[in-house]
Amino acid sequence: DTAVSQTPKYLVTQMGNDKSIKCEQNLGHDTMYWYKQDSKKFLKIMFSYNNKELIINETVPNRFSPKSPDKAHLNLHINSLELGDSAVYFCASSQVARAEAFFGQGTRLTVV
Amino acid sequence: GDSVTQMEGPVTLSEEAFLTINCTYTATGYPSLFWYVQYPGEGLQLLLKATKADDKGSNKGFEATYRKETTSFHLEKGSVQVSDSAVYFCALSSTDSWGKLQFGAGTQVVVTP
Repeated sequence: DTAVSQTPKYLVTQMGNDKSIKCEQNLGHDTMYWYKQDSKKFLKIMFSYNNKELIINETVPNRFSPKSPDKAHLNLHINSLELGDSAVYFCASSQVARAEAFFGQGTRLTVV
Repeated sequence: GDSVTQMEGPVTLSEEAFLTINCTYTATGYPSLFWYVQYPGEGLQLLLKATKADDKGSNKGFEATYRKETTSFHLEKGSVQVSDSAVYFCALSSTDSWGKLQFGAGTQVVVTP
């Protein structure tokens, strides 16, 4: 069983479109995250939810909106996609702060 | 703010060579420290961790010791294999950060037969 799964794995879309990435974890963790990995492999946190509540919101454009319908799911919706949004987006989860995070396989988003 | 600095790559080694990847950090308090590995085309996997000073994390022949006096968490492996070729990330999580991971820039390791 996959612990943290995200879909789709690849996403190619045109500028200006709106797209969503879904993430689910079956580990029973109470905290979920979105990270962005740029073309140089640098990883930076975008958002974090704990028990469906937003607790971390790094400096991310308003076009990015996370939603957590329950503590096992954290989706990422992106409006008006721009070329600079092209990256790999990783979902992750952890049980408690300071514990290790488990990552999904990533979604490679390409905006053309 | 918190930060992690790790040696730049790529690091190219022959099989069975000794690997060291340096990692130093800046953080308030006592962060937890991690090494993650990313194989080509895959997500991140936790390689090892340490949660307090002098702890040694180990897994798959890799080791790293939490050194508070030098604020370091260097990764070592005594004899690398071709299958160890990957990007390695050092990361920390501070006590008040809700599990947010601050990553280093990553070090690509290439092991040749």
